[in-house]
Amino acid sequence: GQNIDQPTEMTATEGAIVQINCTYQTSGFNGLFWYQQHAGEAPTFLSYNVLDGLEEKGRFSSFLSRSKGYSYLLLKELQMKDSASYLCARNDYKLSFGAGTTVTVRA
Amino acid sequence: EAQVTQNPRYLITVTGKKLTVTCSQNMNHEYMSWYRQDPGLGLRQIYYSMNVEVTDKGDVPEGYKVSRKEKRNFPLILESPSPNQTSLYFCASSARTGGMDTIYFGEGSWLTVV
Repeated sequence: GQNIDQPTEMTATEGAIVQINCTYQTSGFNGLFWYQQHAGEAPTFLSYNVLDGLEEKGRFSSFLSRSKGYSYLLLKELQMKDSASYLCARNDYKLSFGAGTTVTVRA
Repeated sequence: EAQVTQNPRYLITVTGKKLTVTCSQNMNHEYMSWYRQDPGLGLRQIYYSMNVEVTDKGDVPEGYKVSRKEKRNFPLILESPSPNQTSLYFCASSARTGGMDTIYFGEGSWLTVV
């Protein structure tokens, strides 16, 4: 594998904010994807970071630090439908995924 | 409509009976890959292909074969399936690797080997 690490589970309350961290090996790195996956379904694209910094897309934001091999996905104003697994994926000449973080949103 | 199509979507088979899971994309993508997904292990890459007749092993290639004779198709072959290959399989494609390209996933194939 590519030593991509992310927490296994996180729980948060509806309307709250959750930050999912991802660390990865930096050698040969081109960019970092975040995907959302509901149980039994295909992953769906959320974001792709190539340069350092924060990119915001509505309620979801993604941050990258290339030198530190670190990224996070920020989910704001959580909704029940955000309960899913969130996968970070490292892009070099192939795509390698972390094991995923299962986020549970409670009312 | 841009699509990655996998077949079959659901299959129960017996140990040792050869099977092929087909994958086809209609976007003229160069890059295609196969993943398996197991609880707690995320998506693990089995094989990938950078273009026609160019394939390489991913992280978990044992027990699988692939071929890329045409750009659109990338079948996954299990010559002698075993119960530890029971999993959810995803095929994916993108225009190229190393760049900012959207990766398209198939809907997944649930395979059970008994």
